[in-house]
Amino acid sequence: GIQVEQSPPDLILQEGANSTLRCNFSDSVNNLQWFHQNPWGQLINLFYIPSGTKQNGRLSATTVATERYSLLYISSSQTTDSGVYFCAVEYTGGFKTIFGAGTRLFVKA
Amino acid sequence: NAGVMQNPRHLVRRRGQEARLRCSPVKGHSHVYWYRQLPEEGLKFMVYLQKENIIDESGMPKERFSAEFPKEGPSILRIQQVVRGDSAAYFCASSPPLTREQYFGPGTRLTVT
Repeated sequence: GIQVEQSPPDLILQEGANSTLRCNFSDSVNNLQWFHQNPWGQLINLFYIPSGTKQNGRLSATTVATERYSLLYISSSQTTDSGVYFCAVEYTGGFKTIFGAGTRLFVKA
Repeated sequence: NAGVMQNPRHLVRRRGQEARLRCSPVKGHSHVYWYRQLPEEGLKFMVYLQKENIIDESGMPKERFSAEFPKEGPSILRIQQVVRGDSAAYFCASSPPLTREQYFGPGTRLTVT
C-alpha cells in the first residue's frame, strides 16, 4: 500500500520563527489534506490541497503531485501553533485515507 | 452551521460490554469516515460509508466491529465484547460528495476497564 512519511518527526521553535514541514507519499493520490491536532486532541482542517499552492494567513501549503510531496509552511510561529501536524492522502484508485505519523511541533514563548 | 458531532465524548465500558459511538455529519455531507487513534500515534482508517452503503471497510477488524450510516440518523460505530485493546480515541469525519474534503468531529474517547 501507499506509504506516507512526514518530516521532521519533532520540531521545537522559538516564537516568531518560520518552519517547513514535509510530507512524502509513495504513489499517486486523489486528495491530500493537512490537519493540525491541538493539545486538546481536536483535528483542525488546514488545507485541502491535492495539487498547487494555497495560503491562509501565516500558513501556506504546496503540493507537487508529480514529485509526490507536499510542504506546509508556518511563518511567524505562535505558541498556539503547538500540536501535531498530520498529512493525509487518499490514493488513486481507492477510498482509504492514509495518515502520516505526524510532526510534533512545540513553540516556545 | 454545526460541524461534525460525536457522542458520547467519553465512554467507559467493562470488558465484554458493547460500545456504540455516534456521529452526525455536517448538514449536506453524505460521506462518513471512522478512524481510531491510539495514544501518541497517528490516525488509522477504519471504514468509509455513504448513506446506506459501506464503500471501504478495509481498516475494520474482522470481528466485533461494525459500522452503519442509515438513511436517517447518525452513523454508528459498534464494538461488541470490548477488550482493553479497544481503548482509544475514535474520530469521525464527514465530507461532501464531490471533493471528499474531510471535516473531523471532536472524537469519542473509549476506555475499557
